[in-house]
Amino acid sequence: EIVLTQSPGTLSLSPGERATLSCRASQSVSSNYLAWYQQKPGQAPRLLIYGASSRATGIPDRFSGSGSGTDFTLTINRLEPEDFAVYYCQQYGSSPRTFGQGTKVEIK
Amino acid sequence: QVQLVESGGGLVKPGGSLRLSCAASGFILSDYYMSWIRQAPGKGLEWVSDISSSSSYTNYADSVKGRFTISRDNAKNSLYLQMNSLRAEDTAVYYCARELSPGGWFDPWGQGTLVTVSS
Repeated sequence: EIVLTQSPGTLSLSPGERATLSCRASQSVSSNYLAWYQQKPGQAPRLLIYGASSRATGIPDRFSGSGSGTDFTLTINRLEPEDFAVYYCQQYGSSPRTFGQGTKVEIK
Repeated sequence: QVQLVESGGGLVKPGGSLRLSCAASGFILSDYYMSWIRQAPGKGLEWVSDISSSSSYTNYADSVKGRFTISRDNAKNSLYLQMNSLRAEDTAVYYCARELSPGGWFDPWGQGTLVTVSS
């Protein structure tokens, strides 16, 4: 199975700053089939990005995804207070679908 | 609006069984593949199982194969997960989720139901 490794584990930033989250796959992700989710405490994950770079419905344009092959990035421009959360990447290019271990974006 | 609501979680002893349900509303369930995904306390996400729109295809993670059974009743707008031979390591919040593209990403997710396996 494809192992996804997210870095850093924790990112400490201030509102208004840019967050850059990395997701590295143990082998190439077919057709860039990679998604990103946001999870806040006590809540279910929410889809942000699919197909590596397509924003889900209703997701603000400060969220953007990029990358291909084994290296993918989620960028959050101008962090808002509601963006502090845990972010997970997920690949769906091969079975079984797998998730990264998460990156926590916390207020500095 | 599109909504998924899980139920059926609780405390069960090792070796016991539990059946989770997921009630769907705001969309036509029969148009979509559906999945169960779990999250152990303080841990990451693990895909558990999925089922095709007509129930003709099911798939399971190796960690639950032979113990869990996914099913659905499109007429009742419901998804199910029968969990047998439960182990302590099955303790988690279980989410149901819609697959917008079969075998793809998950959107939306339900709020989850907690399953605790402990003696």
